[in-house]
Amino acid sequence: TQLLEQSPQFLSIQEGENLTVYCNSSSVFSSLQWYRQEPGEGPVLLVTVVTGGEVKKLKRLTFQFGDARKDSSLHITAAQPGDTGLYLCAGSMIQGAQKLVFGQGTRLTINP
Amino acid sequence: NAGVTQTPKFRILKIGQSMTLQCTQDMNHNYMYWYRQDPGMGLKLIYYSVGAGITDKGEVPNGYNVSRSTTEDFPLRLELAAPSQTSVYFCASGGAYNEQFFGPGTRLTVL
Repeated sequence: TQLLEQSPQFLSIQEGENLTVYCNSSSVFSSLQWYRQEPGEGPVLLVTVVTGGEVKKLKRLTFQFGDARKDSSLHITAAQPGDTGLYLCAGSMIQGAQKLVFGQGTRLTINP
Repeated sequence: NAGVTQTPKFRILKIGQSMTLQCTQDMNHNYMYWYRQDPGMGLKLIYYSVGAGITDKGEVPNGYNVSRSTTEDFPLRLELAAPSQTSVYFCASGGAYNEQFFGPGTRLTVL
């Protein structure tokens, strides 16, 4: 069983559409991160959220940490083909600890 | 800065062979990690290190060994390769705010 469940696992949409990816758990996390991974490469950090209810924006990407710090979402506005990739959420259960638990990933395809 | 480098990029092993996956970072990070990534399964932590001379098991350590003699290097050893170890292996180093920086990965096939 996954400690962090991501949904959907696969998503294919047209350029210009909006989408939301979810990362859910029954456990509380001290911080949560989102990574993006392109084929043949390692994951690259997009954002870290640490406070319940926190919202961070990165251009067309909006990240939210749930009030109870058990879940997070990634919303992309007006998706572009360059957003295609594997999106991974990862959580740290102990403040200051440097170990992360990863979700299984959401494979996103944006069609021109 | 090269960041995190891994060698080799690809390797095919026969069952029972041994090999070492190399990982080097030039960011002076204390924390280093080894993950494996299987299709649809995200990343699973194999071993990690909080500094030179200190290592600890992660979620899936069986069949692997590590050492950390310097801050920069964190090699992963497979002693008796098995088909279940076919995977993509990522090394990462940890920054000050829990973020991790990943290498490009090693794709290993055991036949």
